[in-house]
Amino acid sequence: EAGVTQSPTHLIKTRGQQATLRCSPISGHTSVYWYQQALGLGLQFLLWYDEGEERNRGNFPPRFSGRQFPNYSSELNVNALELEDSALYLCASRTGRATDTQYFGPGTRLTVL
Amino acid sequence: GQQLNQSPQSMFIQEGEDVSMNCTSSSIFNTWLWYKQDPGEGPVLLIALYKAGELTSNGRLTAQFGITRKDSFLNISASIPSDVGIYFCAGPPLGYGGSQGNLIFGKGTKLSVKP
Repeated sequence: EAGVTQSPTHLIKTRGQQATLRCSPISGHTSVYWYQQALGLGLQFLLWYDEGEERNRGNFPPRFSGRQFPNYSSELNVNALELEDSALYLCASRTGRATDTQYFGPGTRLTVL
Repeated sequence: GQQLNQSPQSMFIQEGEDVSMNCTSSSIFNTWLWYKQDPGEGPVLLIALYKAGELTSNGRLTAQFGITRKDSFLNISASIPSDVGIYFCAGPPLGYGGSQGNLIFGKGTKLSVKP
């Protein structure tokens, strides 16, 4: 069974540009979560999608947005990039079962110059 | 909001040593999770705890869900070089989404090999 996949692996942008990151969940998983991991910090929750709808978002500005497609894949968009947006962006997926846990992809390393 | 305080921040291990780390919160959690992250990879789930007082093992790893539901411990026995990495505690915050919602993570404990 394939794990969570993310693309691209690395992304370099300049300040003010937009970035789009993509995530494909494990087959059968309907929920997708996005986390930001800045250098030296733990994972900070960004967005949670389930069955195509945004269920919750973390304490991030509106320029962080995303969506979930009918095949449960997801994309994260970051507009008006700032230097401090440089981080590893991790996607996780899970089933809808209450006792299931989140499985993480390898992440996309975003660098803003 | 709910926060997880993880300690120690870093530690050096010598092969064969036992390792202990812990995670505390000022508020209760109904689930405690322990993840390990290797460089360039996403976190991998090691142990999940669902009941206060629960003690669960996964090979050389043992984790406990504190009886107050405000803390958890992870022990690694007889450490080996591949234990090196960053260990995170995590749990779903109380409120919206429950155990199916997002996770809160501690800042991690970085395990390195003693020079």
